[in-house]
Amino acid sequence: SAVISQKPSRDICQRGTSLTIQCQVDSQVTMMFWYRQQPGQSLTLIATANQGSEATYESGFVIDKFPISRPNLTFSTLTVSNMSPEDSSIYLCSVDRDSRETQYFGPGTRLLVL
Amino acid sequence: RKEVEQDPGPFNVPEGATVAFNCTYSNSASQSFFWYRQDCRKEPKLLMSVYSSGNEDGRFTAQLNRASQYISLLIRDSKLSDSATYLCVVNPDSNYQLIWGAGTKLIIKP
Repeated sequence: SAVISQKPSRDICQRGTSLTIQCQVDSQVTMMFWYRQQPGQSLTLIATANQGSEATYESGFVIDKFPISRPNLTFSTLTVSNMSPEDSSIYLCSVDRDSRETQYFGPGTRLLVL
Repeated sequence: RKEVEQDPGPFNVPEGATVAFNCTYSNSASQSFFWYRQDCRKEPKLLMSVYSSGNEDGRFTAQLNRASQYISLLIRDSKLSDSATYLCVVNPDSNYQLIWGAGTKLIIKP
């Protein structure tokens, strides 16, 4: 398994502001993933972050809105920019350590935008 | 039609009973299947993979029906600690794009 931490665990933000979420893994991993989970909804992949290259975004998500950094093999950040109430959600980072399909998740960041 | 569909529940089940729920997927070429468990206000955690021949882990049995395009999860002798949301996950191809169901909520009552 992997030990993954996220900061902050929760935040309440004003619309129009930005929040950067940090994800730290206890060992080096090639790929890190950022998901969003809205109440009662399934997980939606925002982007995949590789170290040393630009993140790959899924349909419906763009770099200007969700810029991602991956400075090394144990750390990544996701920024939610110019927030609106629709961005209120849980944001989760994950890694695939054992196999490409087995993912371990961080505890999540609960974001409320007013 | 959603790519992965689950009955949201909740399934209210007495302790000790057997409960089963299914998950249907739309892409017949899907390669891999998983059940994850998510406790309230916690992150998802892998429960078990679903193999073509079925998979059993203690009280939990997962099965795949490719002809009807669904996977199932059976929990025997249910415990209070089994209360959680069970997420069905499908890998439609060899990429990383896992497709997640919205989950089935299970409540085990004493």
